Amino acid sequence: EIVLTQSPGTLSLSPGERATLSCRASQSVGSNYLAWYQQKPGQAPRLLIYGASSRATGIPDRFSGSGSGADFTLTISRLEPEDFAVYYCQQYGGSPKTFGQGTKVEIK
Amino acid sequence: EVQLVESGGGLVQPGGSLRLSCAASGFTFSSYAMSWVRQAPGKGLEWVSTISAGGGTTYYADSVKGRFTISRDNSKNTLYVQMNSLRAEDTAVYYCAKDQGNYYDSSGVWGKGTTVIVSS
Repeated sequence: EIVLTQSPGTLSLSPGERATLSCRASQSVGSNYLAWYQQKPGQAPRLLIYGASSRATGIPDRFSGSGSGADFTLTISRLEPEDFAVYYCQQYGGSPKTFGQGTKVEIK
Repeated sequence: EVQLVESGGGLVQPGGSLRLSCAASGFTFSSYAMSWVRQAPGKGLEWVSTISAGGGTTYYADSVKGRFTISRDNSKNTLYVQMNSLRAEDTAVYYCAKDQGNYYDSSGVWGKGTTVIVSS
């Protein structure tokens, strides 16, 4: 099983700042099948990025994904008020699919 | 508009059974793999199971293997999960999700979830 470790656990930033979230895998993720999801309190998760760097439909271009192998990054170039949420990475390159433990982006 | 609506959650005793359903609309259901993902209270996301578009291939998390069975009825545009031998640690919100491809993929659209509580 591929274990995903996200860091930091919490990121305290102000609107307009840049957010950089990390997701490290215990082994290489097959075909870079790594996704990022956003979840707000009381809501279902929303797909942001798939295939490590492809934005899902309707996702603003301030969200970008990068990385390969076992090291991946989600960057939010300029935080908007609606971006404060919890972010999860997920690998689907092998079975079982696994999620990271999440990074909370909170208002400073 | 793509919609996924889960139902069937509730309170069940340890050792009991429950079947969750997910009614899909707004897309060609038979063309996409589907998944169940759960979230225990105050915890992160846990993938539970995936079924291929045609229903012929299924995948399970080790934590539910042998107890949960995923299935689908493409004629009714409905996804199911039969949950047996339920444990307290199965307490969670269960989300149904439409995967991006027809086999094993990221989950592009999610339902609002249905709550399962396993308690005596």
